[in-house]
Amino acid sequence: QQQVKQSPQSLIVQKGGISIINCAYENTAFDYFPWYQQFPGKGPALLIAIRPDVSEKKEGRFTISFNKSAKQFSLHIMDSQPGDSATYFCAASRGNAGGTSYGKLTFGQGTILTVHP
Amino acid sequence: KAGVTQTPRYLIKTRGQQVTLSCSPISGHRSVSWYQQTPGQGLQFLFEYFSETQRNKGNFPGRFSGRQFSNSRSEMNVSTLELGDSALYLCASSFGQGGGEKLFFGSGTQLSVL
Repeated sequence: QQQVKQSPQSLIVQKGGISIINCAYENTAFDYFPWYQQFPGKGPALLIAIRPDVSEKKEGRFTISFNKSAKQFSLHIMDSQPGDSATYFCAASRGNAGGTSYGKLTFGQGTILTVHP
Repeated sequence: KAGVTQTPRYLIKTRGQQVTLSCSPISGHRSVSWYQQTPGQGLQFLFEYFSETQRNKGNFPGRFSGRQFSNSRSEMNVSTLELGDSALYLCASSFGQGGGEKLFFGSGTQLSVL
């Protein structure tokens, strides 16, 4: 019930292309879905996040699409750049009773993105 | 504004020893969460502290423990180290209340158990 499944494990895209990473979750109590980007030697950094009451959120070249009925969400990176080469993690969490604590994230297994120049 | 600071950056220990890792959150953040990252298991939640109280706990054995101080700084301790404890230990901080869902991660402590 707590799993988040992420695919693909690795992705190679040409510069300027679109990168798409998919995630599926099981626990319908999750109410916060962030995406993190991690470079070697660094901790994950928050890219963009969405709540289940919206179907899409866009920030610059990054877009999250959310399908509540299918329990799936995806990250789209438009105009992919070599600097986007990193590991991407989807995650999900559930607020506590007061809706204020989201410190417990359940992460997907990660996608290694390589953008060729 | 300074980010999340974790010390030490690297640590080498032998089986059976114990280790303490430290985390200083972003100023003003009152919640600190700890995660273990390994190539095989990925990122797994250890525990979360808010105002010196453990608010959430993951599925790790009792050898893993933590605490938070009044200044929000946190430490985690692993006793009786096993080879499988070799991992990158990440600390993340957030406001922990009032919409404080954004977690900011440190660069981690790389623990090697020999």
